[in-house]
Amino acid sequence: GEDVEQSLFLSVREGDSSVINCTYTDSSSTYLYWYKQEPGAGLQLLTYIFSNMDMKQDQRLTVLLNKKDKHLSLRIADTQTGDSAIYFCAESGYNKLIFGAGTRLAVHP
Amino acid sequence: GAGVSQSPSNKVTEKGKDVELRCDPISGHTALYWYRQSLGQGLEFLIYFQGNSAPDKSGLPSDRFSAERTGGSVSTLTIQRTQQEDSAVYLCASSLDRGAQYFGPGTRLLVL
Repeated sequence: GEDVEQSLFLSVREGDSSVINCTYTDSSSTYLYWYKQEPGAGLQLLTYIFSNMDMKQDQRLTVLLNKKDKHLSLRIADTQTGDSAIYFCAESGYNKLIFGAGTRLAVHP
Repeated sequence: GAGVSQSPSNKVTEKGKDVELRCDPISGHTALYWYRQSLGQGLEFLIYFQGNSAPDKSGLPSDRFSAERTGGSVSTLTIQRTQQEDSAVYLCASSLDRGAQYFGPGTRLLVL
């Protein structure tokens, strides 16, 4: 079946690194995505990774993919207060994205 | 360039009334999607349009929900005889073919 799981909450100190983890079930997913949602806003595409890659880096963001374990992570370096939001992991299903429940990231001084 | 736009941004309606939600995708994007975000159910797929192909309606929760996409661009999601459980944020996204999906700001629907 289709299921994407994420931990619900993460609290980090400003300036530290944040790591948000996700597991998915469909090994045929071609792409895996990370979206950010701020209060009252839509989903902002942060980054995505093709399933034949194991790492992608984009400025402060690093995505790691372990296809064998169906595990995806998003690392945010030097976390800032502006990074406080809900982060959604998603896998590409048939004609749709399948989302996790979202991880709420709280950044404190 | 312009992103995905949705209107209205907020809608309050009475139970039993019909509502129409509009989505303007990114120009040139062939695919358009509707999702619903609610506290209890998270993000759920509703419907997918791709070019002139028949839409994938497999996510529509009941026959009170329908959607159209005219001229391969603008889409309207219609909910007939609204119920309180229809209260949610309705999100539209578009993509180039089956590429990365870009989302609009959503329409917040409250059914009283």
